[in-house]
Amino acid sequence: KQEVTQIPAALSVPEGENLVLNCSFTDSAIYNLQWFRQDPGKGLTSLLLIQSSQREQTSGRLNASLDKSSGRSTLYIAASQPGDSATYLCAVGDSGNTPLVFGKGTRLSVIA
Amino acid sequence: NAGVTQTPKFQVLKTGQSMTLQCAQDMNHEYMSWYRQDPGMGLRLIHYSVGAGITDQGEVPNGYNVSRSTTEDFPLRLLSAAPSQTSVYFCASSYGGDSRSYNEQFFGPGTRLTVL
Repeated sequence: KQEVTQIPAALSVPEGENLVLNCSFTDSAIYNLQWFRQDPGKGLTSLLLIQSSQREQTSGRLNASLDKSSGRSTLYIAASQPGDSATYLCAVGDSGNTPLVFGKGTRLSVIA
Repeated sequence: NAGVTQTPKFQVLKTGQSMTLQCAQDMNHEYMSWYRQDPGMGLRLIHYSVGAGITDQGEVPNGYNVSRSTTEDFPLRLLSAAPSQTSVYFCASSYGGDSRSYNEQFFGPGTRLTVL
């Protein structure tokens, strides 16, 4: 059974710092991996989707990498801003028609 | 596109009442799913569907029913509400299938349910 772990559970950094959020999964035979952002009391917003054949995806200040063989993904946030404060969730899919398995998220606080 | 929409946004029920949480998407997505999110438990899958007429159970299906009569709609029914079903409920959708370019999942804004 696939399990997804995100470490740390919470992180506080000063504004402007570059940071890395970690995600690990137990079964490397994944179909894709998706990073989401969730603001308090809100739904999930998709940030980046990485297919199993890809090594990384970039969107603005965000860069997500995928290492299937080691069962790991990282989300790199450059030049963090207070507006980046949110919970970041990692999820993996085993196929196009099976549910995503989620980690419990990393709660990020960026202090001005 | 409106994306994934959910109604109602908030709901308070008494124990034993039944209700239906609505979910709709206008992106012609085949795959739809329901999750509940509880503090410390993360997101847990309730039911999912890979197309009209096809549904399957997730991790926590007890007390919930679903049906998928159209591609657009995937309602979640609470048969007899219990306090343990107090949670935030999210609906999600994606294209599904084998197309690797189109399997990004999109989430609705959620329904916050309280059962007294």
